[in-house]
Amino acid sequence: DGGITQSPKYLFRKEGQNVTLSCEQNLNHDAMYWYRQDPGQGLRLIYYSQIVNDFQKGDIAEGYSVSREKKESFPLTVTSAQKNPTAFYLCASSTISGATTDTQYFGPGTRLTVL
Amino acid sequence: GEDVEQSLFLSVREGDSSVINCTYTDSSSTYLYWYKQEPGAGLQLLTYIFSNMDMKQDQRLTVLLNKKDKHLSLRIADTQTGDSAIYFCVAGGYNKLIFGAGTRLAVHP
Repeated sequence: DGGITQSPKYLFRKEGQNVTLSCEQNLNHDAMYWYRQDPGQGLRLIYYSQIVNDFQKGDIAEGYSVSREKKESFPLTVTSAQKNPTAFYLCASSTISGATTDTQYFGPGTRLTVL
Repeated sequence: GEDVEQSLFLSVREGDSSVINCTYTDSSSTYLYWYKQEPGAGLQLLTYIFSNMDMKQDQRLTVLLNKKDKHLSLRIADTQTGDSAIYFCVAGGYNKLIFGAGTRLAVHP
């Protein structure tokens, strides 16, 4: 089965702790993305990566960090510097072709709650 | 800046057609997408339209694009309770997608 997996589905964190959200894809996609979703809002881009060992900040990167050591994996760390981390986090992947944005396919999401 | 706007809520009777509208500002968008999100789930790609097309039909779904007015619509024929979800209008820009806030579709008997 080809697809994108995210784990865990639910995550609880105490204030001041860093947590890492997992995202894995077996679609052989070059690009991977992390989005944050808040109630009643569209998705906002946190980070994206188009190649191993390289990534770029999105619109709301402050308080987050990522790595891309393998093509299949793009973990997101929510650090204690993120002031309001409670949200639904979505990972996506896509192929890359020219200057247009390719269709992105999404994982099932991780709901992070800070206690 | 780049923006996508859509109404936040739509209520329809089961069996009727649903029409969800959106407007976008980025005239360079090559692809325009509709994604569906069920409660607590990720986004599922429903359909997309290339910017040089006016219309695309896919079973119960019809997408209409008015490029001059930067207006996109999604029509769902014979709406069922399983269609209840949030529908996101998304414009494909350079290196990024621009999401609307989503339209919550409620289907009632």
